[in-house]
Amino acid sequence: EADIYQTPRYLVIGTGKKITLECSQTMGHDKMYWYQQDPGMELHLIHYSYGVNSTEKGDLSSESTVSRIRTEHFPLTLESARPSHTSQYLCASSENTGLYGYTFGSGTRLTVV
Amino acid sequence: GESVGLHLPTLSVQEGDNSIINCAYSNSASDYFIWYKQESGKGPQFIIDIRSNMDKRQGQRVTVLLNKTVKHLSLQIAATQPGDSAVYFCAEGGGSNYKLTFGKGTLLTVNP
Repeated sequence: EADIYQTPRYLVIGTGKKITLECSQTMGHDKMYWYQQDPGMELHLIHYSYGVNSTEKGDLSSESTVSRIRTEHFPLTLESARPSHTSQYLCASSENTGLYGYTFGSGTRLTVV
Repeated sequence: GESVGLHLPTLSVQEGDNSIINCAYSNSASDYFIWYKQESGKGPQFIIDIRSNMDKRQGQRVTVLLNKTVKHLSLQIAATQPGDSAVYFCAEGGGSNYKLTFGKGTLLTVNP
């Protein structure tokens, strides 16, 4: 049973629109991550956070931004969506100490037309 | 930079056979490894993990083997079932870096 939730599951939006992908977890994890994944392809880390008011860019450059005002919430925003942003976006969180596996949400599949 | 990669992008097996999915990693400082299963339209799910002080770890129908000498990780699935059809990712992490690095993924198809 996943304790990390992403909304919406699917989103089709026009070019130039501003969008926010929501991610919330109820496990009290300090660490949270956003990955971008094209169908059948590898996971690319685009943002991560180690706690409230902490955000870092990941390995893959992204035009999106994130915020971490509350421990449980890690939203991702695209100010002006483009077709090149079409992808699946996965949110994850992990234990606060040491290195442990991530718990992933179900993802948001974004299509920009 | 350091990377994790898979030897085989696709694997097709018959139901009931054993499956072996391989993964090579290049960061010798990695001391934690995980296998994830991702079904179509879902997020990756944790299957099993192993730390570098172990060579083998078993779960229910799954076994992970770690060979630190050649930096190789494998996932063995016993008596593969159609429900095992998915993409399998290995991931590594460790040292001062608490972030995981994911491999490219292997698509496992189980034929009835």
